[in-house]
Amino acid sequence: AQRVTQPEKLLSVFKGAPVELKCNYSYSGSPELFWYVQYSRQRLQLLLRHISRESIKGFTADLNKGETSFHLKKPFAQEEDSAMYYCALSSNAGGTSYGKLTFGQGTILTVHP
Amino acid sequence: KAGVTQTPRYLIKTRGQQVTLSCSPISGHRSVSWYQQTPGQGLQFLFEYFSETQRNKGNFPGRFSGRQFSNSRSEMNVSTLELGDSALYLCASSLGGARSYGYTFGSGTRLTVV
Repeated sequence: AQRVTQPEKLLSVFKGAPVELKCNYSYSGSPELFWYVQYSRQRLQLLLRHISRESIKGFTADLNKGETSFHLKKPFAQEEDSAMYYCALSSNAGGTSYGKLTFGQGTILTVHP
Repeated sequence: KAGVTQTPRYLIKTRGQQVTLSCSPISGHRSVSWYQQTPGQGLQFLFEYFSETQRNKGNFPGRFSGRQFSNSRSEMNVSTLELGDSALYLCASSLGGARSYGYTFGSGTRLTVV
């Protein structure tokens, strides 16, 4: 069984401060990890995929298989980063995920001016 | 290009009734998944369809069902509605699976059961 844990329900930082949203997972296979973001009154949208190792809107996330973590980081937070962030894991069998994403409970990030 | 479209946006139903929700995926996407989002349980996977076949199913009772048409459009049905079925139902589409691509979500259908 797979599980995703986001230990912080709420996270507040000031503009310009570094931010780290934590995500830990448990999965016996080789995981695919994602970060999704939901801005106020907008749909859930993909922010990062671990497999692409990209930086989006200044955010990065590194998969640490030893610690089973996929923390989301940004060196200088902006007010427009305020949103709900979800970490998600895709399980796969034989290279196909069969569409199932397991989500964490989400972290509400508030960036104060 | 058009995103994932879900209709209707809002629904109010009475306990015991049934409801059908619709999802039109992004053109060319063949995989459609459904999720239930509630404040208490968060986002939970319902089922996934690919080329008109259900490939995966979450831990929901048989009252929850779905189907996919040849044009990849999908519907989900909930029969004998219960108060606890009140939730935001999200549809997501992908080329063929979450691996390497991620899913694109619709805005959801807000179902209220009274």
